[in-house]
Formats: sequence, C-alpha cells, structure tokens
Amino acid sequence: EAGVAQSPRYKIIEKRQSVAFWCNPISGHATLYWYQQILGQGPKLLIQFQNNGVVDDSQLPKDRFSAERLKGVDSTLKIQPAKLEDSAVYLCASSLDPGPKTEAFFGQGTRLTVV
Amino acid sequence: KNQVEQSPQSLIILEGKNCTLQCNYTVSPFSNLRWYKQDTGRGPVSLTIMTFSENTKSNGRYTATLDADTKQSSLHITASQLSDSASYICVVSAMPRRDMRFGAGTRLTVKP
Repeated sequence: EAGVAQSPRYKIIEKRQSVAFWCNPISGHATLYWYQQILGQGPKLLIQFQNNGVVDDSQLPKDRFSAERLKGVDSTLKIQPAKLEDSAVYLCASSLDPGPKTEAFFGQGTRLTVV
Repeated sequence: KNQVEQSPQSLIILEGKNCTLQCNYTVSPFSNLRWYKQDTGRGPVSLTIMTFSENTKSNGRYTATLDADTKQSSLHITASQLSDSASYICVVSAMPRRDMRFGAGTRLTVKP
C-alpha cells in the first residue's frame, strides 16, 4: 500500500516569497491533516479536512496560510508571504475516518527554510 | 498551555536497558491516546492506539499503559536497541472532532 506522499521534501525561500506544498493521501482516506512542526516541538494542527470540507482550521494563520482539497483527494498548503518563523517541517497525514481507533498515517514532510 | 505534557524531555540509555516515558494530559472529553515514534527527518509512525476502555496495549517491545482517571499514560520500551533512538510523541484526541493534540515528545538516545 502506498503511503502519504508529500512534495517537495525540502524548500528554501526568502522571506516575503510564496511557497506551496502538495500532499497525496492514501487512497480512500477521507480525513486529511496538515501539521506544522517547529524544530524540537510536537506537530501543531493547521487544518483538518473531511473529504473536501474543512473540519478545523482554528490554528491556521489565515492572513498568510491557505489550504484546499478541492476534489477531496490531494491537497495543497500555501504560504504567502512567508516569514522567518514559518521555518518548520510541514507534515501531511491521512486516515480512513476520524474514528477513535483509526490509524493516522504521516508523510515524510516538507522541510521549509525561510531566509 | 499545552494540553499534553511529556517527560522527560530527553533520555539517554544503554543498549539492552529498559525505559519508561510519561505522558500527562488535560484533554477532555477524551477519545483516544496514541504513541508515535518519529525518526529524525521522517514523519511519525504509530506504535499504539488506546481508547477509554483500554489500559494497556503492546506492540512488540513497546507497551503503553493508560489511566484515564488520572489522565496519565506511559510507554515502556523493553530491551532497547540502537534503532529505538528517536522522538516518542504522545497524542491525545478529544471528542467530538477527535482532532489530535500532540505532546512535544521525548527524545530517546540509545547508546551501545
């Protein structure tokens, strides 16, 4: 079974530039999550999708971050404009559903460095 | 304040020794608790998932316990191996959305 695919693996941009990350979840997984993991910390949820609808985006900095999952399959996360503090690993995860016993599988992440 | 607190922050043990990692949470109402292993530069990989009615769950040399009354969990690693060197993250989900709340992790280093 193919895992959660993310691209790119690494990205270096200057502050105030824009960047986009892509995630392809495991086939058939209705729930998709984007997390931000700053070095030395646990992941922080940015947004959770159920199919193509947003379940939770309360911690998404909406002035600069946006995410979409138009067809309920793959998803993109965009930052515009980037700030130095956005340097982090951006993890995408998916699960069959948000049930209590349902496994959530993570991609390898995209490491963003803003200089 | 983070709703999931882990201790210790980091731990160094010798190969073959056992260790126990702790997780305290205030997330409520509780849905489930997961332990993840995250190798450097990789995404987290699930070790165990426990719901309210489960108080212990094993996965090979990893055994997780849950005390829902005191809101504490532990992850016990038996006969540690060098490949156990990683961050171990406690994740608690709350009803009704079951969104996952992550601890900061415990960084385990196993030395030969």
